Amino acid sequence: QSVLTQPPSVSAAPGQKVTISCSGSSSNIGNNYVSWYQQLPGTAPKLLIYENNKRPSGIPDRFSGSKSGTSATLGITGLQTGDEADYYCGTWDSSLSAGGVFGGGTKLTVL
Amino acid sequence: EVQLVQSGAEVKKPGESLKISCKGSGYSFTSYWIGWVRQMPGKGLEWMGIIYPGDSDTRYSPSFQGQVTISADKSISTAYLQWSSLKASDTAMYYCARQGYDILTGYWRAFDIWGQGTMVTVSS
Repeated sequence: QSVLTQPPSVSAAPGQKVTISCSGSSSNIGNNYVSWYQQLPGTAPKLLIYENNKRPSGIPDRFSGSKSGTSATLGITGLQTGDEADYYCGTWDSSLSAGGVFGGGTKLTVL
Repeated sequence: EVQLVQSGAEVKKPGESLKISCKGSGYSFTSYWIGWVRQMPGKGLEWMGIIYPGDSDTRYSPSFQGQVTISADKSISTAYLQWSSLKASDTAMYYCARQGYDILTGYWRAFDIWGQGTMVTVSS
């Protein structure tokens, strides 16, 4: 059971838009930056969004992030078959067992 | 180029010890935290712990406290993850990743650079 809750899977057609939610609490998302990672099959995770809504150099603006209260959302527009991957949200939890936390991951299928 | 390069795949027997490594280059190794993340076959990412090579300050997830040891040698820009007695359930891919900390806000930054991963297989 992950501290952060994501839907197990989402799907959409090429060219369409999809959103992936990440729900937490005041001790994690509500009190720290949220980041998003893309993991293509057989590869290491890659940073997609940092500090809630910023994109690292080289990440296309088709990818966006937002945060409101204790939830965060990743948006992907203009879906491409190459976007098929697992997506994870992550942040820091400031509770008694302070440390990093990830969502359970969301498998994106581009139909 | 900023990168983290991990040691190669390992195949071990239950009860054996193991130490895997993560070497940083292209940046000030002592200015960022290095975290370790486990990914069991077909499963998601799990945060194991983190170390600040500058002063060896180390934090562990309660799930991994006492099960592994995280260390670093700043003289060679390398972080380590070690086990004293492996179990079959330790079979997984292990990633190291660089993380910063925002002193002004007290917020932890993202894992911006990841190693390529080290596959550890424990089987009799």
